[in-house]
Amino acid sequence: AQKVTQAQTEISVVEKEDVTLDCVYETRDTTYYLFWYKQPPSGELVFLIRRNSFDEQNEISGRYSWNFQKSTSSFNFTITASQVVDSAVYFCALSDPGNNNDMRFGAGTRLTVKP
Amino acid sequence: KAGVTQTPRYLIKTRGQQVTLSCSPISGHRSVSWYQQTPGQGLQFLFEYFSETQRNKGNFPGRFSGRQFSNSRSEMNVSTLELGDSALYLCASSSRVSGGVTDTQYFGPGTRLTVL
Repeated sequence: AQKVTQAQTEISVVEKEDVTLDCVYETRDTTYYLFWYKQPPSGELVFLIRRNSFDEQNEISGRYSWNFQKSTSSFNFTITASQVVDSAVYFCALSDPGNNNDMRFGAGTRLTVKP
Repeated sequence: KAGVTQTPRYLIKTRGQQVTLSCSPISGHRSVSWYQQTPGQGLQFLFEYFSETQRNKGNFPGRFSGRQFSNSRSEMNVSTLELGDSALYLCASSSRVSGGVTDTQYFGPGTRLTVL
């Protein structure tokens, strides 16, 4: 069954610390897409990254980086030198043909960055 | 480009009433999806519309319905409201074409519905 697990419910760090948010997924399809979204207190989900199953290259965008490992079905997200503005709920999501390409979200990880 | 817009942003209703929420997608996007977000159940897929047709539907009762207009704007309706329908309702649009692979969904700010 298609499933996304974000085992960390809440994480609290002090500014400038690095933090990694974990995401583990399950799918029977060989072609699928993984996403990360950020939800600040305002409520809007902000798109961060989209990765297809054939591209295992890690991605870096400024302080953000993503580590995709098919062998362990994980798509982890690291924030380097965290800032207070990074405080939000982060969602990992999976989309695959076996589920009509609908997006299934993990439960989210609430990140609090303290000054 | 303007982002996804949703109206109203906040709504208070009482049990038994019905409600209609509106979503305007990003210009050029023809796919609109709706999600319900609650503290207990998280983000759950409601349905997706493409070219005025409902393409997929999540596991929600028939009280939840929607439609899409020729300009891709979408509305969702909840009839006979229950306390448990209190949630943030998020709309997302994408340029996903019929039968095509997943494209990125861009979300609106949501409508927060409170049922008393």
